Amino acid sequence: NAGVTQTPKFRVLKTGQSMTLLCAQDMNHEYMYWYRQDPGMGLRLIHYSVGEGTTAKGEVPDGYNVSRLKKQNFLLGLESAAPSQTSVYFCASRQTSGRAWDEQFFGPGTRLTVL
Amino acid sequence: GQQVMQIPQYQHVQEGEDFTTYCNSSTTLSNIQWYKQRPGGHPVFLIQLVKSGEVKKQKRLTFQFGEAKKNSSLHITATQTTDVGTYFCAAPSASKIIFGSGTRLSIRP
Repeated sequence: NAGVTQTPKFRVLKTGQSMTLLCAQDMNHEYMYWYRQDPGMGLRLIHYSVGEGTTAKGEVPDGYNVSRLKKQNFLLGLESAAPSQTSVYFCASRQTSGRAWDEQFFGPGTRLTVL
Repeated sequence: GQQVMQIPQYQHVQEGEDFTTYCNSSTTLSNIQWYKQRPGGHPVFLIQLVKSGEVKKQKRLTFQFGEAKKNSSLHITATQTTDVGTYFCAAPSASKIIFGSGTRLSIRP
């Protein structure tokens, strides 16, 4: 199993450009998440999904859109990139096994710079 | 919304010294998780605590969950250079998980 993969690993954008980050997981997890992490900071939730075809806003959703057309994929879109969106983006997934909570599995991250 | 406060923000220790990070919530938690992120890496799950007063050990790491289930700690005995990284506590909230701000551990060899 590859676990959680993210594409691309690095990207440089100019202000105003758009792009899509792809997250894929092969663990058949229901829940998927997008976080951003700024230097020396914690993880802030952007959007999340509790199943195929569903999405919900997290803590910092402005400037981002998401889609979960297939269970294994969760896409994060930047409509018009701004320098404030320079960050490392992590995708994560988790199972819903009925236990109190299950661990989150993180992807390796996408390092995005907006000039 | 629910917040999880984590202290200290940074800790710099001599190799062989002990290290502790603390996590506090204003509300009772159903459980708490701990993650480690190596420099340049991604967060990796370490452990989950569920029961009031629970203590779990992983080699030199000791995890505790408070009796009131509002706080937790991670203690590392005799740190090694492999312990370098940022340690996050995380607590569930509805369908989400709320991460603490993390404690960055650096070590002088």
